[in-house]
Amino acid sequence: NAGVTQTPKFQVLKTGQSMTLQCAQDMNHEYMSWYRQDPGMGLRLIHYSVGAGITDQGEVPNGYNVSRSTTEDFPLRLLSAAPSQTSVYFCASSSDPVGGYTFGSGTRLTVV
Amino acid sequence: AQSVAQPEDQVNVAEGNPLTVKCTYSVSGNPYLFWYVQYPNRGLQFLLKYITGDNLVKGSYGFEAEFNKSQTSFHLKKPSALVSDSALYFCAVRVSNSGGYNKLIFGAGTRLAVHP
Repeated sequence: NAGVTQTPKFQVLKTGQSMTLQCAQDMNHEYMSWYRQDPGMGLRLIHYSVGAGITDQGEVPNGYNVSRSTTEDFPLRLLSAAPSQTSVYFCASSSDPVGGYTFGSGTRLTVV
Repeated sequence: AQSVAQPEDQVNVAEGNPLTVKCTYSVSGNPYLFWYVQYPNRGLQFLLKYITGDNLVKGSYGFEAEFNKSQTSFHLKKPSALVSDSALYFCAVRVSNSGGYNKLIFGAGTRLAVHP
């Protein structure tokens, strides 16, 4: 049982480049979320999904896109990377929003 | 605005002493509250949650949390701290948006340092 798998673990991008952070879960969870973690700011919600085909914006959605074509996968796309997007990104999933979320191990992204 | 606050950036405690990590919240309606722990270079791990019922909630690794509705607080506690408890702790609250979707909002985190 792999849980929540995030790839890649590390990435360096140049300003203006685009990329996709992958997130996959094998627990058949309906609820999935993307967070970014910055020092002193905790975790901030970027986008979330309550099921396949349904997504919504979180606190800091600008510069990011998501889609949820399957229950298992919830990729996060950076459209045109900026240094302000340097952060650690976490994907999380849950079978219910009042249950505990399972987090992936994170992707550390640096934009130069 | 619905939010959760962790007033302490860091808490220092000696091994064997009791520890408390503070959390206060602001939500409309009944709060659903959570604590998570993050060890270095790892994702967050779920510790415990309060949904309803007893105000004292027990969770993983000997941690417990006390819900206090009048003070809008949900402090994390442990009777006897271990060095291995040193980590970053996050409080979170479930909020609902206008579309009825639920999501978690996290506090900024409190770093717990347990000294031998």
